[in-house]
Amino acid sequence: GQNIDQPTEMTATEGAIVQINCTYQTSGFNGLFWYQQHAGEAPTFLSYNVLDGLEEKGRFSSFLSRSKGYSYLLLKELQMKDSASYLCAVNTGFQKLVFGTGTRLLVSP
Amino acid sequence: ETGVTQSPTHLIKTRGQQVTLRCSSQSGHNTVSWYQQALGQGPQFIFQYYREEENGRGNFPPRFSGLQFPNYSSELNVNALELDDSALYLCASSLSRTGNSPLHFGNGTRLTVT
Repeated sequence: GQNIDQPTEMTATEGAIVQINCTYQTSGFNGLFWYQQHAGEAPTFLSYNVLDGLEEKGRFSSFLSRSKGYSYLLLKELQMKDSASYLCAVNTGFQKLVFGTGTRLLVSP
Repeated sequence: ETGVTQSPTHLIKTRGQQVTLRCSSQSGHNTVSWYQQALGQGPQFIFQYYREEENGRGNFPPRFSGLQFPNYSSELNVNALELDDSALYLCASSLSRTGNSPLHFGNGTRLTVT
């Protein structure tokens, strides 16, 4: 079976740091993606992890532990425009992605 | 560089009808995938096309079918529409099928079945 768990909703304040967790159990693993999706828009690519460890890209970082089936997305210096849904997705092979339900992040002033 | 484009943006159909959704992949991308996203949910994999052949299918019935054309554009066809087919249909293309090639999504087609 395929199972990906993320919190449904999180709130944070502008300028703060937030960590969005994702745990997964899938048949097949060829990397984990994080996407950002604003309401009514397409998901946009944020990060990709295939090896254990931290990948940093500007204000966004993503971590992976394959042995624990765990990843997180870290957002620093939050801005109002970061209010969106964040989707964790496992590549089960040949770019076939299994997505979590998404974490809706609300950033307040 | 042109991104992934989908048409139409919105569509309203009646239960039992058939619908065709269209997608133009990003330039140079030979792999196209279709996803269904219900309200408040993550996208669900429908199927993938690579070099005009279906290459993997999710848990969707045969009334969901597709095509990929030589220019890598693609169509999703849904027959005998049901109310539960109401969703956002997303097309995504990637440069290759290797692990680090991210999917690039179009803005989707919002299908409403009444």
